[in-house]
Amino acid sequence: IAGITQAPTSQILAAGRRMTLRCTQDMRHNAMYWYRQDLGLGLRLIHYSNTAGTTGKGEVPDGYSVSRANTDDFPLTLASAVPSQTSVYFCASSGSPDRPDTQYFGPGTRLTVL
Amino acid sequence: GQNIDQPTEMTATEGAIVQINCTYQTSGFNGLFWYQQHAGEAPTFLSYNVLDGLEEKGRFSSFLSRSKGYSYLLLKELQMKDSASYLCAVRDSNYQLIWGAGTKLIIKP
Repeated sequence: IAGITQAPTSQILAAGRRMTLRCTQDMRHNAMYWYRQDLGLGLRLIHYSNTAGTTGKGEVPDGYSVSRANTDDFPLTLASAVPSQTSVYFCASSGSPDRPDTQYFGPGTRLTVL
Repeated sequence: GQNIDQPTEMTATEGAIVQINCTYQTSGFNGLFWYQQHAGEAPTFLSYNVLDGLEEKGRFSSFLSRSKGYSYLLLKELQMKDSASYLCAVRDSNYQLIWGAGTKLIIKP
């Protein structure tokens, strides 16, 4: 692994189903983030984690939960998916020694909720 | 509220120069970022400004004026591969990034 990976790449989900989006980084970054990106809107922060064991709410946290059991992994769970959660989801991390404030993004997960 | 404004779309010619503007109103300021995002891909980091002035990196330069709440990204010697969306983001007083909706840049031969 080099950088950040996300899984799955894409998913079609029935409304009401539970879904976990996975995110793993191998850069030993302390901070990790989940964003959603919708057409015509900027990236919106869902949840973040400044370090393993801590999490915080972003701009649009409702309907989503996260956990940060270790440095590398930051899964995002939709407890009961709704069509308005159809979006592209990006995981990001920051904390490199040369650019501590710069966020680096995973390839994204395209989620469709029907 | 917090707001980042940038043009929705711009068109330029291969080999030319283009300037993409970004204005912001945020609760606090702790730096401004520019990212490039090709269609269907993740955003990738281009530049970071925290002090006023121009930062040059190859064909790309970024300028910041904190007193005016204004930044621009300057792309020189445009190439077809520069066709992408360019995202402006400001780190606010909570050290979270507030993102603009992005400027789609179309390069014509």
